[in-house]
Amino acid sequence: GEDVEQSLFLSVREGDSSVINCTYTDSSSTYLYWYKQEPGAGLQLLTYIFSNMDMKQDQRLTVLLNKKDKHLSLRIADTQTGDSAIYFCAPERSNDYKLSFGAGTTVTVRA
Amino acid sequence: EAGVAQSPRYKIIEKRQSVAFWCNPISGHATLYWYQQILGQGPKLLIQFQNNGVVDDSQLPKDRFSAERLKGVDSTLKIQPAKLEDSAVYLCASSTLGTGNEQFFGPGTRLTVL
Repeated sequence: GEDVEQSLFLSVREGDSSVINCTYTDSSSTYLYWYKQEPGAGLQLLTYIFSNMDMKQDQRLTVLLNKKDKHLSLRIADTQTGDSAIYFCAPERSNDYKLSFGAGTTVTVRA
Repeated sequence: EAGVAQSPRYKIIEKRQSVAFWCNPISGHATLYWYQQILGQGPKLLIQFQNNGVVDDSQLPKDRFSAERLKGVDSTLKIQPAKLEDSAVYLCASSTLGTGNEQFFGPGTRLTVL
């Protein structure tokens, strides 16, 4: 099976909160990243969480980590049209520090 | 600081032709990665360099793909001959050494093979 799984699509109304979920298999991942990809662009690091934390807040972004269930989530508060993009969860592999990417979640913000 | 530069941004070729992509990483970044991103999928690592040495090329289809990083700075990725299934975005990323170091991505080269 895939190392990282995410739901493929999320539609959210402007101003509401978005929650993007991710499950992963490598329980020893030390760093877990969230990347954003806008159309025609490369990936941009949004935020990350270290494995000894269960929550990290960074302005409108909140990352929650449940290590026991190997579940990571990204909450975007007050979602704006500029938040429309593909979001990738990317745990760092513990054995070689490489990133594992899922297929990404396409977030569409509607007015 | 300047980001990761890639060229060209777009390339259209016919199958069996050759193509090359260029990447200039962030100055001082020892590690350079080439990823292939097929439409609707996440990036897949093709090759990782540390300085001018290959760290991992296990996912690189070596019968048609090659990459080099001369002098440990710029890198080129070549496909020869191209197949239809090589249509994808090729992303270059760079980072400093070790764990927990952010990978900075370039804008990618979108390759279409007809």
